[in-house]
Amino acid sequence: KAGVTQTPRYLIKTRGQQVTLSCSPISGHRSVSWYQQTPGQGLQFLFEYFSETQRNKGNFPGRFSGRQFSNSRSEMNVSTLELGDSALYLCASSLGTGDLDTQYFGPGTRLTVL
Amino acid sequence: AQSVAQPEDQVNVAEGNPLTVKCTYSVSGNPYLFWYVQYPNRGLQFLLKYITGDNLVKGSYGFEAEFNKSQTSFHLKKPSALVSDSALYFCAVRDFGYSSASKIIFGSGTRLSIRP
Repeated sequence: KAGVTQTPRYLIKTRGQQVTLSCSPISGHRSVSWYQQTPGQGLQFLFEYFSETQRNKGNFPGRFSGRQFSNSRSEMNVSTLELGDSALYLCASSLGTGDLDTQYFGPGTRLTVL
Repeated sequence: AQSVAQPEDQVNVAEGNPLTVKCTYSVSGNPYLFWYVQYPNRGLQFLLKYITGDNLVKGSYGFEAEFNKSQTSFHLKKPSALVSDSALYFCAVRDFGYSSASKIIFGSGTRLSIRP
């Protein structure tokens, strides 16, 4: 079974631009979560989607948004990029059958904001 | 709110020796704890989880973790370290909010270095 895939793997943007990251979950998984990883802040939860609905949200500004499609694929969007948005963005999928599900992570998208 | 702490930024072990990566937790209610490993330029890989039952949890790649309720700890262990175990290890806990939705809270990570 294929794992979680994320595209693109690397991205370079300039301040003020916007970016869209994509995540395809493991087949059969209905929940997708997004995390931001930086050296200073570590791994921080962004949001979780289940059945096309945002089920939980972390403490990030409204510039960070996401959505989930009917096939469970998810996209994350960051508008008006700031230098501090440079990070590894990780997507994780799980079955979504309960809160005790195990989350399986993709390889991440490395975003660099210049 | 739930939290986990990894008191060591770095752990150095000789190959063949046992290794321990420490994690302590703070939760209200039952703890649901996880260990993940991250290799360079890779995402996180699930190692093991504790939900209930035996205090010794066995996971992938020969790793195991010991849940200790009285010490609120969930240390990761391996009897004999391999050079290929060198990576960044994260302890994590499920954080159940006021709704049924939950998220994972990660520790700061411990870099494990195994010398030949």
